[in-house]
Amino acid sequence: AQSVTQPDIHITVSEGASLELRCNYSYGATPYLFWYVQSPGQGLQLLLKYFSGDTLVQGIKGFEAEFKRSQSSFNLRKPSVHWSDAAEYFCAVAITSGTYKYIFGTGTRLKVLA
Amino acid sequence: GAVVSQHPSRVICKSGTSVKIECRSLDFQATTMFWYRQFPKQSLMLMATSNEGSKATYEQGVEKDKFLINHASLTLSTLTVTSAHPEDSSFYICSARTRELINYSYNEQFFGPGTRLTVL
Repeated sequence: AQSVTQPDIHITVSEGASLELRCNYSYGATPYLFWYVQSPGQGLQLLLKYFSGDTLVQGIKGFEAEFKRSQSSFNLRKPSVHWSDAAEYFCAVAITSGTYKYIFGTGTRLKVLA
Repeated sequence: GAVVSQHPSRVICKSGTSVKIECRSLDFQATTMFWYRQFPKQSLMLMATSNEGSKATYEQGVEKDKFLINHASLTLSTLTVTSAHPEDSSFYICSARTRELINYSYNEQFFGPGTRLTVL
């Protein structure tokens, strides 16, 4: 079955510390992968996406993600977290075989300590 | 580019009334639009998919008579919550997909800012 797993429901880091948010997907075809951020009461903002090519993708706000096909993972990283990064983060995969749709992970809530 | 708007951003209504939410693609033609529902501290749940000029396809468990979707043009889709009840209170998000492949990928959805519905 197609699925996206974000194993960490909550993550707390100190400001200035590095961050890694995990995302694993289950999908047999070529994955189109996305990371979104959502602040409270707001819509989704696209951080970065992977379609093909270089497996290390750069996004906005200093985020990057690495696609590892062998591990079915697409983890999000940031070398130094800012207090404004506190938000909910969603990983998603676009299902393109059969009926097209996105499958979202359950989200990871990031808290940043001053 | 690829901007999607929603109107209204917030709406409060009385139980039993109907509420319409609009989703517009502002700078591209949306061949397909999607409606999601998000409960507090949860992920997005796809409610339905609509293609311009045809009936929407609803996900399992979504009442099509309660959540009426109209995709009347290539830039506008509407979601009408009929006879709303407090349990319909939620955050509704739309997204759009385009075939304008010069500028965009057909495999990417562009999201609106969401509409907060509160039913009293």
